[in-house]
Amino acid sequence: GAVVSQHPSRVICKSGTSVKIECRSLDFQATTMFWYRQFPKKSLMLMATSNEGSKATYEQGVEKDKFLINHASLTLSTLTVTSAHPEDSSFYICSARYRKGEQYFGPGTRLTVT
Amino acid sequence: AQTVTQSQPEMSVQEAETVTLSCTYDTSESDYYLFWYKQPPSRQMILVIRQEAYKQQNATENRFSVNFQKAAKSFSLKISDSQLGDAAMYFCACQRMDSNYQLIWGAGTKLIIKP
Repeated sequence: GAVVSQHPSRVICKSGTSVKIECRSLDFQATTMFWYRQFPKKSLMLMATSNEGSKATYEQGVEKDKFLINHASLTLSTLTVTSAHPEDSSFYICSARYRKGEQYFGPGTRLTVT
Repeated sequence: AQTVTQSQPEMSVQEAETVTLSCTYDTSESDYYLFWYKQPPSRQMILVIRQEAYKQQNATENRFSVNFQKAAKSFSLKISDSQLGDAAMYFCACQRMDSNYQLIWGAGTKLIIKP
């Protein structure tokens, strides 16, 4: 299957700072990427859908000014958590749509805000 | 709105035995995909099997097979000859075709393999 990378895999930041997470499709072009948040022992919660060259579409309840998404190329989408707080600590996962019926996932990023 | 329901929070099976994980879904669309994903302790989401709704034949991938009952909107996963490496969270998902192909997720089933 296609490969999606995510960087960093783990990050610890101080409250009030911003952190950027990168999601890359390594061997295919992805016009659409998705960002998820996963709480312990829970399912994936879609945060936003990112289309290359256009603004991301955020799910209800997700603050777009806090979770900035940029999809500047067909292989890269970034999620920036601005002014992070301890409640933003979570596991963040990206995925990239390869074609209809196929979506591949990054390995995830564990964010800890102290 | 589409929904996916996994009614088994946890299942256990003896190694080498067969186990079936349940999933029901609700959608008004005629064209959609259904998936089973596996999430081991590493938390990497791994595609186990995929079913296209318009295909009547049940998908199979080695020891993994599905029982797709379109009229009943049921999509169960059967794992044969269970192995220790099968231990993971299993998520059922339905793919929307009208909104960038978003996945609608079930709550997940934790599968425990007893040696």
